[in-house]
Amino acid sequence: DTEVTQTPKHLVMGMTNKKSLKCEQHMGHRAMYWYKQKAKKPPELMFVYSYEKLSINESVPSRFSPECPNSSLLNLHLHALQPEDSALYLCASSQGLGQGARQPQHFGDGTRLSIL
Amino acid sequence: GQQVMQIPQYQHVQEGEDFTTYCNSSTTLSNIQWYKQRPGGHPVFLIQLVKSGEVKKQKRLTFQFGEAKKNSSLHITATQTTDVGTYFCADRGSTLGRLYFGRGTQLTVWP
Repeated sequence: DTEVTQTPKHLVMGMTNKKSLKCEQHMGHRAMYWYKQKAKKPPELMFVYSYEKLSINESVPSRFSPECPNSSLLNLHLHALQPEDSALYLCASSQGLGQGARQPQHFGDGTRLSIL
Repeated sequence: GQQVMQIPQYQHVQEGEDFTTYCNSSTTLSNIQWYKQRPGGHPVFLIQLVKSGEVKKQKRLTFQFGEAKKNSSLHITATQTTDVGTYFCADRGSTLGRLYFGRGTQLTVWP
């Protein structure tokens, strides 16, 4: 069982649709992440939030728009995606971004996104 | 950015054989985390290595961090079919929040 919950598990959308991916954690973690993972590749970092503020944006196209409404929730708003955006989108959380502490990331099950 | 090289990309073993995956970098690694991703699953944190020369064990899994902190390895003794998956090493690097993943080693275990 994962402590990071992502919905939906699967999503098929057209290139003109608008949809949102949701992520929730109740571990009291203050850092949350969005990753994109293609088949047989490692996760690629997209965004990092720390204390509900955007800390890292890895030059992600504007058709992906993250939002952190509170410390437990992380959304990824999708608009006008391209077929190459089809991938597994993973949310993760960690206690924080501090270097000194042990900071493993806890991943959700992911949303498998297909763009038609 | 930080480059973490991981080999081999694929490994096929008979059940009961040993397995090792290696990660290395041309620069000093900050600390190494190891994750396992089962087919169709998500990465699951296994362990973190911080100190030079550190060795940690989890049942049949042995993790090592090189003396110069430029390499790390994961060794599985007597593999089982439940070990199937992709094993990733990741370095925390110097930028807070960023994990630099190796490309992963996909392990297949034949019964």
